[in-house]
Amino acid sequence: DIQMTQSPSSLSASVGDRVTITCRASQGISNYLAWYQQKPGKVPKLLIYAASTLQSGVPSRFSGSGSGTDFTLTISSLQPEDVATYYCQKYNSAPMTFGQGTKVEIK
Amino acid sequence: QVQLVQSGAEVKKPGASVKVSCKASGYTFTSYYMHWVRQAPGQGLEWMGIINPSGGSTSYAQKFQGRVTMTRDTSTSTVYMELSSLRSEDTAVYYCARGFDSPWWPHDPWGQGTLVTVSS
Repeated sequence: DIQMTQSPSSLSASVGDRVTITCRASQGISNYLAWYQQKPGKVPKLLIYAASTLQSGVPSRFSGSGSGTDFTLTISSLQPEDVATYYCQKYNSAPMTFGQGTKVEIK
Repeated sequence: QVQLVQSGAEVKKPGASVKVSCKASGYTFTSYYMHWVRQAPGQGLEWMGIINPSGGSTSYAQKFQGRVTMTRDTSTSTVYMELSSLRSEDTAVYYCARGFDSPWWPHDPWGQGTLVTVSS
C-alpha cells in the first residue's frame, strides 16, 4: 500500500504568517491528492482536490501544489479561524490513505 | 442541500458487532459512491472502505477485510457499515462521507459522525 507522510506534525505560527505543510507519497499518485481541514471537535472538511483545485467556498488564502509524490498545502496569511488539523489523502486507488495530520496553532 | 445523517452513539462489549447507518438526502442516492472513515480518540483519519449505492459493490481496506460489511438500502437512501468482532481498539468516531460518480474521488460532505465505544 502507498504510505502518505506529512510534515511537520505540528506547527505554531503568527497571524498573517505564510504556512506550508508538505505531504509525500511513497509512490507516484499523479494529482490524486486531497487536503482536508478538521477544526477541534468538528467534522473534516474538503479544502482542495486534484492537488490544486480549491473546493467551492474555501478562502483563496489556501492553495495546493504538487504532482507525483510531493505535495504542499499553503496558507498565504494565517488567520485565527485556521486553527485546525490538516490531512492529506490519496484517492487514486484503494486504500485511500490519509496522512497522519498536521496540527496548526496560533503563536 | 446534501445531508448525511448518521445513527446515534453506541456502546458495545468486546466481541460484539455494531451497525452504523447513514441516511442521505438532497441528491440522487444511487449516483454517488459512499465512503466510511474512522477516527480513534485523539488520532488521525483512517479510510475503511467504499460502497457503490447503485449496485452495492464494495471495496474494503485490507485491515478490515473479514470484519466489515457495507450495505445499502436504496428505498430509504441509507448506507450501513457493520463491524464485527469488536475490540477496544475499534473505539472511534465512524464517519460516512460522500464521494462522486467515480470511486476515485475525495469525500464531501461528511456525516456528523457516530461514536462507537467498545468496553467491557
